[in-house]
Amino acid sequence: DAGVIQSPRHEVTEMGQEVTLRCKPISGHNSLFWYRQTMMRGLELLIYFNNNVPIDDSGMPEDRFSAKMPNASFSTLKIQPSEPRDSAVYFCASSLGTSSLSTDTQYFGPGTRLTVL
Amino acid sequence: AQSVTQLDSHVSVSEGTPVLLRCNYSSSYSPSLFWYVQHPNKGLQLLLKYTSAATLVKGINGFEAEFKKSETSFHLTKPSAHMSDAAEYFCVVSGNQAGTALIFGKGTTLSVSS
Repeated sequence: DAGVIQSPRHEVTEMGQEVTLRCKPISGHNSLFWYRQTMMRGLELLIYFNNNVPIDDSGMPEDRFSAKMPNASFSTLKIQPSEPRDSAVYFCASSLGTSSLSTDTQYFGPGTRLTVL
Repeated sequence: AQSVTQLDSHVSVSEGTPVLLRCNYSSSYSPSLFWYVQHPNKGLQLLLKYTSAATLVKGINGFEAEFKKSETSFHLTKPSAHMSDAAEYFCVVSGNQAGTALIFGKGTTLSVSS
């Protein structure tokens, strides 16, 4: 299996531009997670989907951030407009999504390093 | 509320010596606990997890961790460090009983010298 695939691996953009990050979860996994990693705040969960439905988006920082999962094999995280403080590494993870997620193993993608100038 | 504290931000060891990365947690119910490793410019990889079975959990690459409820600890150990173990290690606790969120510690950077 190819694992969780994220694209692009690196993104450099200017403040005010729209940024779209993409994720392909592991085939057969029903849960998908978006995380953000910064030096200041560490790893934070942004949003979590189960069976393509957003379950918990309480970690999404503000309305500039949005995430979609149109089907079981694809998700996007969009930032519009982007700001320098959005610079971070964004990780996507997926898991089987069993009834007890606390025992599920989350498999992480390699991340997208976003720099907003 | 659930929380996790990694007691050392940086640990340095020599190759061949034991590794100890310390983690304390706080939980209002029986938690699930995990250790993840992140090598430079890579994603996170699960080392091991505790889910209320055996208190001594063995993971990949010779790592193990012991769940101690009385001490609310879940320290990660390895008998003999290898150069390839140099990485950042995260202690993680499940955020709620449904397990819909993972709460990550701030991370411990492990350096291994020859």
